Amino acid sequence: DAGVIQSPRHEVTEMGQEVTLRCKPISGHDYLFWYRQTMMRGLELLIYFNNNVPIDDSGMPEDRFSAKMPNASFSTLKIQPSEPRDSAVYFCASGRGGQYYEQYFGPGTRLTVT
Amino acid sequence: GENVEQHPSTLSVQEGDSAVIKCTYSDSASNYFPWYKQELGKRPQLIIDIRSNVGEKKDQRIAVTLNKTAKHFSLHITETQPEDSAVYFCAASRGGGADGLTFGKGTHLIIQP
Repeated sequence: DAGVIQSPRHEVTEMGQEVTLRCKPISGHDYLFWYRQTMMRGLELLIYFNNNVPIDDSGMPEDRFSAKMPNASFSTLKIQPSEPRDSAVYFCASGRGGQYYEQYFGPGTRLTVT
Repeated sequence: GENVEQHPSTLSVQEGDSAVIKCTYSDSASNYFPWYKQELGKRPQLIIDIRSNVGEKKDQRIAVTLNKTAKHFSLHITETQPEDSAVYFCAASRGGGADGLTFGKGTHLIIQP
């Protein structure tokens, strides 16, 4: 099993630019979660999907953030326009749901906005 | 929404001693409590979890206890080793695997040789 795959692993961009983060969940997992980690706020849930449908996006900080899941094997998190305060590590996680409670994290994307 | 408090923020113990990290949660509907270990620059790794219908769970040197009445759960690591040094996060969820996790702020565990 390849695990959760994220790309890019590192992204450096200038303020105002559009940033797209990508995630491929573990095959067969019906749930996909996007988390953000910063020193100030810790690990926080941004949004999650079930069977490609967004279920809870209450953690998305503002309208500059959007997420999509066009199919069961791919999701994107987009920030447009990016700001320095968006600098963080963004993790994608997936899980099977049902009687399986575990969530497995990808390696993360370290985003730096200058 | 759920709020998870974690203590201490830093814990230093001698190699071979035990370490205990404590968390409290606010939402009585939460039913799943995982613990993650994160090494510097790496992803959070699930090390043990407990569901609300169980009071204690053990896996070799690691154990977790849950007190639903007090809304309190703890991670216990015995016979600590240098490789246990990391940041540990507790979390809570009200939907098991069908809900997002609310994390505590983390505990930096330092194992002194």
